[in-house]
Amino acid sequence: GQNIDQPTEMTATEGAIVQINCTYQTSGFNGLFWYQQHAGEAPTFLSYNVLDGLEEKGRFSSFLSRSKGYSYLLLKELQMKDSASYLCAEGYSGAGSYQLTFGKGTKLSVIP
Amino acid sequence: GAVVSQHPSWVICKSGTSVKIECRSLDFQATTMFWYRQFPKQSLMLMATSNEGSKATYEQGVEKDKFLINHASLTLSTLTVTSAHPEDSSFYICSARGSGTYEQYFGPGTRLTVT
Repeated sequence: GQNIDQPTEMTATEGAIVQINCTYQTSGFNGLFWYQQHAGEAPTFLSYNVLDGLEEKGRFSSFLSRSKGYSYLLLKELQMKDSASYLCAEGYSGAGSYQLTFGKGTKLSVIP
Repeated sequence: GAVVSQHPSWVICKSGTSVKIECRSLDFQATTMFWYRQFPKQSLMLMATSNEGSKATYEQGVEKDKFLINHASLTLSTLTVTSAHPEDSSFYICSARGSGTYEQYFGPGTRLTVT
């Protein structure tokens, strides 16, 4: 896998819903992760999908379609603190270990 | 649970000197640790993967003699940037993973500035 593609920037209004899309190469796929990263900080884990479908966790949900090489992160009831970069990462087996390849991230700006 | 610490959080050094960054898993045993580098507005780039007690595996294009990685215990890995140059200035982030899990837990990162 690799060649992870996600939008560079998005803007949404406080209280609204936003969907961040991610596409990846399907060969060697072994799991899809979403991380949140605030400026100057390390990423924090949001979700992990390995099977098709929607995983819901509070205000955040993540969807996966393995046949399409497609995932999205859905954020509901947006809050100002949700302004951050959201990184899509594909898991694969390499170098004798399970590794992640990260996309460039989507910078989300939440406005009042 | 699953807390990873990094030290120092930031460091400024002169060109030609060496800098050591520590990564510790505080409440779990990290069988595998990863070192990433992130330049401004870029994604995390994996530099190397290390399993406890064995030599690190470096990604293509990463000089193993320049970026020395030691993973001597299940809770500690170190990255030493030798003979640092200004182009090595970056945000270095470690992550750790326990056995039987895919999830990586990230440290808070170390911002290195080489003058």
